Amino acid sequence: DQQVKQNSPSLSVQEGRISILNCDYTNSMFDYFLWYKKYPAEGPTFLISISSIKDKNEDGRFTVFLNKSAKHLSLHIVPSQPGDSAVYFCAASGLTGGGNKLTFGTGTQLKVEL
Amino acid sequence: ETGVTQTPRHLVMGMTNKKSLKCEQHLGHNAMYWYKQSAKKPLELMFVYNFKEQTENNSVPSRFSPECPNSSHLFLHLHTLQPEDSALYLCASSQDLPYGGNTIYFGEGSWLTVV
Repeated sequence: DQQVKQNSPSLSVQEGRISILNCDYTNSMFDYFLWYKKYPAEGPTFLISISSIKDKNEDGRFTVFLNKSAKHLSLHIVPSQPGDSAVYFCAASGLTGGGNKLTFGTGTQLKVEL
Repeated sequence: ETGVTQTPRHLVMGMTNKKSLKCEQHLGHNAMYWYKQSAKKPLELMFVYNFKEQTENNSVPSRFSPECPNSSHLFLHLHTLQPEDSALYLCASSQDLPYGGNTIYFGEGSWLTVV
């Protein structure tokens, strides 16, 4: 049973517009969430994280929103740039017992078009 | 220089071969990991080491044998693999914190093809 789900395998956005990537989770013990970006033939690169005590975390063009009641988080990228084209993975872990075990989603391929 | 380096980046091996993947982290972290990424599947955790001690073996077949001689180095020894073991193998590290909230940093991966 997949505990972290990214239901959109791909997303296409125009340059300069907002990209919104979504992630749902089922395990209520998760309380730390991360987004990673992956280019082909490279390892995932950490982008941004959020703990469950917050509902929003911002870093430059990237903002992560967390809706605990809906068990949903999203990554907003604005403005989107062609270099943002990559696969984005959502990951989650529990702060208590197993904090170093990340559960990943299957990823969303973002394509930013000119 | 990246924080987590893996060698080799690409490896082709026969089913009867023995080979090893190597990982080194330069971040001063105390935990290291092996993950596997197969096509169309989520990243799968294979092994976790904290302070050189293995703390997690995620039901990985014995044909994969990890070794962690110190907190900076991690190996994955491979023997009698199957073609379905072909995948991207990712090493990662983190500073394991007792209150959780760890951020894991990945290497660039080793592409393994078993023929």
